[in-house]
Amino acid sequence: KAGVTQTPRYLIKTRGQQVTLSCSPISGHRSVSWYQQTPGQGLQFLFEYFSETQRNKGNFPGRFSGRQFSNSRSEMNVSTLELGDSALYLCASSFRTDSYEQYFGPGTRLTVT
Amino acid sequence: AQKVTQAQTEISVVEKEDVTLDCVYETRDTTYYLFWYKQPPSGELVFLIRRNSFDEQNEISGRYSWNFQKSTSSFNFTITASQVVDSAVYFCALSKNSGGSNYKLTFGKGTLLTVNP
Repeated sequence: KAGVTQTPRYLIKTRGQQVTLSCSPISGHRSVSWYQQTPGQGLQFLFEYFSETQRNKGNFPGRFSGRQFSNSRSEMNVSTLELGDSALYLCASSFRTDSYEQYFGPGTRLTVT
Repeated sequence: AQKVTQAQTEISVVEKEDVTLDCVYETRDTTYYLFWYKQPPSGELVFLIRRNSFDEQNEISGRYSWNFQKSTSSFNFTITASQVVDSAVYFCALSKNSGGSNYKLTFGKGTLLTVNP
């Protein structure tokens, strides 16, 4: 069974640009969550989608958005990039949404210059 | 608000030593879940264990064992006879059970474990 895949793995953008990251969950998993990992703040929850609906959102500005498609694949978008958005963005999928174990992808390393 | 504290930022041991990683959590919920994840240098978080707040039984899985004590709000993780491959960052995490919705993990800052040969 294939794991969670994230594309691209590495990305370099400049301030002010926007970026879209993609996540394909494990087959059969309907819940996808996104996390941001930085050395200073650690791992922080961004948002969670289940059956194409955003179920929960973390404390991030509106520049961070996401969506989920009918095949459970998810994308997150960051507009007007800032230097502080440089981070490892991790996607996790879960069969259910009620605190079941999540399986993480390898992440997308975003560098904003 | 939920909070997870991993007081040990870094631990260094020699192979075959036992090592315990501490995790203390705060929550006002009576129903919640606790997790441990391993993050090797490759970056991918690997799920190790999930424990719900009503199950205080300790668990052992091979060289790994977990000690959950509600009285002290702790969920400690012990690796017995550590190996070099155990070197990684280990995260303790907490989530609340909201009746089937609103699922998110609150992570501790992580403990970097280095096992030297």
